[in-house]
Order: sequence, then structure tokens, then C-alpha cells
Amino acid sequence: DAMVIQNPRYQVTQFGKPVTLSCSQTLNHNVMYWYQQKSSQAPKLLFHYYDKDFNNEADTPDNFQSRRPNTSFCFLDIRSPGLGDAAMYLCATSTDGTGGRPQHFGDGTRLSIL
Amino acid sequence: AQTVTQSQPEMSVQEAETVTLSCTYDTSESDYYLFWYKQPPSRQMILVIRQEAYKQQNATENRFSVNFQKAAKSFSLKISDSQLGDAAMYFCAYRSASGSARQLTFGSGTQLTVLP
Repeated sequence: DAMVIQNPRYQVTQFGKPVTLSCSQTLNHNVMYWYQQKSSQAPKLLFHYYDKDFNNEADTPDNFQSRRPNTSFCFLDIRSPGLGDAAMYLCATSTDGTGGRPQHFGDGTRLSIL
Repeated sequence: AQTVTQSQPEMSVQEAETVTLSCTYDTSESDYYLFWYKQPPSRQMILVIRQEAYKQQNATENRFSVNFQKAAKSFSLKISDSQLGDAAMYFCAYRSASGSARQLTFGSGTQLTVLP
């Protein structure tokens, strides 16, 4: 089945140690999103790629970076994780076609900071 | 900027009964889409139902239906014959019909508990 796959499901890193989360998709969607979701809160958009064009949300910390080497893969890099970055990170995809097609989400990666 | 408000942080329903989750939104746009997403504990967020703003008819998906009131900017979700598997966090979301990427704006969520 076509889907959005996030690896790993659980990631533990040390305070200040860089970490990379990955997302892949078989849907061939041209838009990919990264959300941060803290406990019992709504997902908060960090940034998205429209094809190769990177779009950063105004309040996304500089500590968060992203790479999209091709249509299928997108990475979230946290350069120096702080305790406040512990959260679930959700990857989602969508097409830019008309019809209000929904975003498809991966299972998420739960990040813990020691 | 658009905002989405879910005024019920928690709701509970007896199994087999009906429950309605509320959602209101604020926008100056006339063309947009509204969604309800379901996020079970530690599981993937999945789409429950979708509504196009230009359609007057309320969307229905099996036991799930919406009451879309465009003038009132209200978009409630009704779950009929509630099942234990319906227990989850439910998010209402707004998506503009314009712009290239059409990102979602989420409400704060409603935690639904289904009682056996």
C-alpha cells in the first residue's frame, strides 16, 4: 500500500547532540510537511517542501533544518536538541491538486532528550 | 490568518450512543476545506471526514457525519453508534483552497472517551 513511513518510531538523543529523523513516501506527492506535536496538543507546522522549494514557518527555531534530496524522502535535522524539543514529530504529504485532498500522515517519531 | 477552535477538550460517550464534537473557525476566505482527523493513542493520524466549503450538503462517511454551517463558521462532527475503537483525539482542521501548499490549521483537539 502507498504510505508515509517515518523512521525510527522512537528516538532518544542527548541534550545538544544532533539528531536526524527521516520520512519517506510512496504516494509520489509533491508536498511534504514536518509537524511538531507536544503532548495533548495540536500539531504545529515547522516547515514544508513544495517540490524542492523549502518554506519555513516564521516561528520555527533555527535549530530545526530540513532536507529533501528527492521526491520520496525528507529529513528533519535538529542541530542541538534542547529539553523543550522532546515531542512527537509528524511527517505528512499532500498533492497540490484541486479538490481539497487531505494530508497523509506517517506514524510519527517520538523524540526523547536525555 | 485562519484560526480553528475546539471548545471541548474532553468528551465521553456511552458505547452505541451518539456524540457531537464542536468546531468553529475564523476565516475571510470563501473557498476552503474542512477536515476531521482522528489520532488514536500512539497511532497514526487518519482522516475521518472532509467537507468542501462550496458544497451545502453535509458530508457523511458511514457512522460519521458533519453539520457544516458556513455562515456561522461552524463544523461539528457527529459520531453515531459509538464504538470502543472510536476513542481517540479528534482534531478539526482548516485548509485554504488558494496558495500552493495549502497547509492545515488545526484546532487544539477533543479527547473522546468511549465508555463500555
